[in-house]
Amino acid sequence: DMKVTQMPRYLIKRMGENVLLECGQDMSHETMYWYRQDPGLGLQLIYISYDVDSNSEGDIPKGYRVSRKKREHFSLILDSAKTNQTSVYFCASSLGTQNTEVFFGKGTRLTVV
Amino acid sequence: GDSVTQTEGQVTVSESKSLIINCTYSATSIGYPNLFWYVRYPGEGLQLLLKVITAGQKGSSRGFEATYNKEATSFHLQKASVQESDSAVYYCALANYGSSGNKLIFGIGTLLSVKP
Repeated sequence: DMKVTQMPRYLIKRMGENVLLECGQDMSHETMYWYRQDPGLGLQLIYISYDVDSNSEGDIPKGYRVSRKKREHFSLILDSAKTNQTSVYFCASSLGTQNTEVFFGKGTRLTVV
Repeated sequence: GDSVTQTEGQVTVSESKSLIINCTYSATSIGYPNLFWYVRYPGEGLQLLLKVITAGQKGSSRGFEATYNKEATSFHLQKASVQESDSAVYYCALANYGSSGNKLIFGIGTLLSVKP
């Protein structure tokens, strides 16, 4: 079964706390992504990973870092979360980087209070 | 830079009526844009509905169609007769390989509500 799994699905954190969002995929995809979506905006790319320990910044990387130690797992870390990081976060994966279908997880709704 | 603009907010259509969700894009000329429609059903992740990689071609899936119009820079989503099960959020997206790199650029999403 081809899927991208995100954990947790819902999370409430206090400002200044550290946040870890986890993502896994069972398709042996090389490329993985983290996006966020805010009201009135399309999904914005935070980071892209081309393989283990091969990560690149997307359009809005400030305040985030990522970790990819295994091909099937890609983590998003917020060190000292801020209220403006309240958002819905989507993880995705694809076999390559061009002309390949991108598969998305169900999203994590993060609220920073 | 590259961008996508689509029908904003919510669209409400009665069952069996026709649907159009507008999408226009801006892409730098040095790239070769591929165009997509993604759909997100309640409680699910985004999933690919259809894609077209060649200008002038039409993509279709589940009764939905979209034509890649390079002259009008448009990629409107249409369906002749919607069903209640089509209620979802629809996203138009662009991948401009060679210009924006290896990423999808999304519109804001359009919530389709189909009334029984």
